[in-house]
Amino acid sequence: EVQLVQSGAEVKKPGESLKISCKGSGYSFTSYWIGWVRQMPGKGLEWMGIIYPGDSDTRYSPSFQGQVTISADKSISTAYLQWSSLKASDTAMYYCARRPSGYDSHFDYWGQGTLVTVSS
Amino acid sequence: SYVLTQPPSVSVAPGKTARITCGGNNIGSKSVHWYQQKPGQAPVLVIYYDSDRPSGIPERFSGSNSGNTATLTISRVEAGDEADYYCQVWDSSSDLVVFGGGTKLTVL
Repeated sequence: EVQLVQSGAEVKKPGESLKISCKGSGYSFTSYWIGWVRQMPGKGLEWMGIIYPGDSDTRYSPSFQGQVTISADKSISTAYLQWSSLKASDTAMYYCARRPSGYDSHFDYWGQGTLVTVSS
Repeated sequence: SYVLTQPPSVSVAPGKTARITCGGNNIGSKSVHWYQQKPGQAPVLVIYYDSDRPSGIPERFSGSNSGNTATLTISRVEAGDEADYYCQVWDSSSDLVVFGGGTKLTVL
C-alpha cells in the first residue's frame, strides 16, 4: 500500500528555522516525484515545488523560490521542506504528494498534511 | 503565467448532475487533473488525464476537456460529494504545476 506519512504539527516563532518531512512507503521512492503544496487557512492549493529523489532534480514555483528548500534522502525514503527564517505568513497546512513521471502528470497519493503555525 | 479559472461555488440538489468548470487558454491541449478535498482532509485525486478515474472513485465522476474549458461532471450527486474541487495542469511553457482556485460544491 502506497503511503506518504508527514511529520507532526509545528508551532514556531518568527525568525526560527523549520524542516518538515514526508516519508514514502509501499513503492519505489526513487522512481516518482514528490511535490509540496501549501494551503493557507481557508484558501486554495498552491504548488511550491517538486523533487525527484532518484537524482535530486528539484523545481520551484517562482512564488516560493528562495523562500524554502526542498530536499530528499533516498536512503530513508524521505522528502523534506525547510525554512531558514519563518514568517507569520508561513502559517498554513503543507501537503506532500507523489507524482508519477510524465511531464504533464498528476499527484496520485497525498500525505495527511503538516500544520505549521508561526506566531510570536 | 498560466491561469486556471474555476467558479467559486456550485450548488446542486441530491440526485442531480453537477458540472464544475475549469477555464484556461487552450486548455484542451493540456492534460487536466481533478482533486476533491473534504473539510479537514487531504486532497484526493478523482480524475486524471482529463477523463481517467483512479480505482475506488465512483463511475459517477467523469471529466472532459476541449477548447478553453475542462469540466468535471458528477452524476447522481450525493451528500457525501460536498467538498472543494480543484483542477490542475502542468504548464509546459514555464515547467510549472498550476492549480485552479477551487470550487465549493454544495449539495442542497
